[in-house]
Amino acid sequence: EAGVVQSPRYKIIEKKQPVAFWCNPISGHNTLYWYLQNLGQGPELLIRYENEEAVDDSQLPKDRFSAERLKGVDSTLKIQPAELGDSAVYLCASSLGWAGELFFGEGSRLTVL
Amino acid sequence: GQQLNQSPQSMFIQEGEDVSMNCTSSSIFNTWLWYKQDPGEGPVLLIALYKAGELTSNGRLTAQFGITRKDSFLNISASIPSDVGIYFCAGRVNDMRFGAGTRLTVKP
Repeated sequence: EAGVVQSPRYKIIEKKQPVAFWCNPISGHNTLYWYLQNLGQGPELLIRYENEEAVDDSQLPKDRFSAERLKGVDSTLKIQPAELGDSAVYLCASSLGWAGELFFGEGSRLTVL
Repeated sequence: GQQLNQSPQSMFIQEGEDVSMNCTSSSIFNTWLWYKQDPGEGPVLLIALYKAGELTSNGRLTAQFGITRKDSFLNISASIPSDVGIYFCAGRVNDMRFGAGTRLTVKP
């Protein structure tokens, strides 16, 4: 069974440019998460989806970050415009329901120059 | 910010030694999970704990859900070089919170 798939693995952009990350969760997992991981830190939640509904986006910087999960499966996370401080790894995870175990993708590493 | 205090921050041990790391919080959690992350990869689930006092093993790994529900520990017995990596604890009430990680180095 395929795990959580993320793309791109790596992205280098200049500040003020837009960037988008894509995530395909494990088949059947209705709960999807986007986490931010800074160097030397643990993952920090940005947004959690139950099917297509964003049920917890309190930590998402809404002035420049947006996310969507239109059909309740794949999800995209967008940053526009990117700032230097956005350089980090963006992790997607999915679980079978809110109380299920989280399974992570390999992450998308963003470098903003 | 992080609400879980994970310690130690790093460990340097000799191959064959046992390892112990823990996670504490001022909050009560319903679930504790332990993950391992290798460089350039996403965290991989090692052990999940769902009940206070629960003790669960996965090969050479053993983890316990503290009775107070505010802490958990992970033990690795007879460490091997491939145990190298960063270990994260995660606790859940409404959402999953992660500790800052314990970086483990195993010297052959």
